[in-house]
Amino acid sequence: KQEVTQIPAALSVPEGENLVLNCSFTDSAIYNLQWFRQDPGKGLTSLLLIQSSQREQTSGRLNASLDKSSGRSTLYIAASQPGDSATYLCAVNSGYSTLTFGKGTMLLVSP
Amino acid sequence: DAGITQSPRHKVTETGTPVTLRCHQTENHRYMYWYRQDPGHGLRLIHYSYGVKDTDKGEVSDGYSVSRSKTEDFLLTLESATSSQTSVYFCAISATGDQPQHFGDGTRLSIL
Repeated sequence: KQEVTQIPAALSVPEGENLVLNCSFTDSAIYNLQWFRQDPGKGLTSLLLIQSSQREQTSGRLNASLDKSSGRSTLYIAASQPGDSATYLCAVNSGYSTLTFGKGTMLLVSP
Repeated sequence: DAGITQSPRHKVTETGTPVTLRCHQTENHRYMYWYRQDPGHGLRLIHYSYGVKDTDKGEVSDGYSVSRSKTEDFLLTLESATSSQTSVYFCAISATGDQPQHFGDGTRLSIL
């Protein structure tokens, strides 16, 4: 059974700092990995999807990397802003189109 | 934003009553999913659909049933609600099984 772990569970940084969120998974036989953000009381917003054949994806200040063989992904946020404050979720597609989610990293960026 | 509407957005009901949650999409996507989100457990898949009348179970399907008679609608039914089914329920859609999933705003369900 696929298990997804996100470290740290919570992170507090000052505005402007670059930061890295970590995601690890136990079964390297994945189709893709998706990063989401969730604001309090809201649904999930898709940020980036990395296919198993890719090493990284970039969108604006966000860069996600994937090392399938070691079962790891990182989400790099450059020049963090207070608006980046949210919970970030990592989810792995191991087949049959279904996602297994980590429990998230709660990020607080202070002005 | 993906055109996904969940209804109702909030519901309070009593143990033993039937409950149906609706997910409506305007994207004509083939795949639709129901998840529940609980503190300490994160998001877990309940059921999903890969086409009209084609559905399958997820990790936590006991006590839930689903139906999809049209591409745009995916219904989740709790036949006899229990307090353990108090949760936030999210619907998601994707064009194919390996494309990004996009989520609705959720339904907060409380069962007393």
